[in-house]
Amino acid sequence: EVQLVESGGGLVQPGGSLRLSCAASGFTFSDYEMIWVRQAPGKGLDWVSYIGLILSDIYYADSVEGRFTISRDNAKNLLYLQMNSLRDEDTAVYYCGRRGHDGSIDYWGQGTLVTVSS
Amino acid sequence: AIQMTQSPSSLSASVGDRVTITCRASQGIRNDLGWYQQKPGKAPKLLIYAATSLQSGVPSRFSGSGSGTDFTLTISSLQPEDFATYYCLHDHYYPWTFGQGTKVEIK
Repeated sequence: EVQLVESGGGLVQPGGSLRLSCAASGFTFSDYEMIWVRQAPGKGLDWVSYIGLILSDIYYADSVEGRFTISRDNAKNLLYLQMNSLRDEDTAVYYCGRRGHDGSIDYWGQGTLVTVSS
Repeated sequence: AIQMTQSPSSLSASVGDRVTITCRASQGIRNDLGWYQQKPGKAPKLLIYAATSLQSGVPSRFSGSGSGTDFTLTISSLQPEDFATYYCLHDHYYPWTFGQGTKVEIK
């Protein structure tokens, strides 16, 4: 069974840093591209970042470019999102997702809440 | 970046109704579009990929159509478990963008 489990969320002050992790199981992690998506409280879904099979194949939303860094450890089946210089508007539930071979996000984690507040 | 305009933002419908939700892309995206269902407090769930293909395990009352710039999600006969928020997402090139969402409520 495919499972994605996020962790690392919590309360952080503006300007602070946090690293999210996504533990993958039930599939060959190194064979799949991975995605981060977030959802601010009461708002819609917002695509954040992508990492491909080639570790240099990385993209970010303009809103996080230069502040967030996506990475993966295929040996440990882990996806990461390093978030620096956090702002109030980064407050959201962060979901990791697997990009299926057909292109869409076919599996999602349960999400982890990041709250940026003083 | 490609903009996805989804409509309506909300709708009220009864069990058994046919429901249609649309997404329009600001430029052509071939068939690089998925539809997702999200219930409160839960992660999104993939319903349709590549604009028209039904994800495994999803009931056949869900269908997708369209190509290029105009896309539609149809629920042929609304069931109680279908009351949720629906989103389109293009994966044509980065950055991907979601539609604003359509909340389907009980009439």
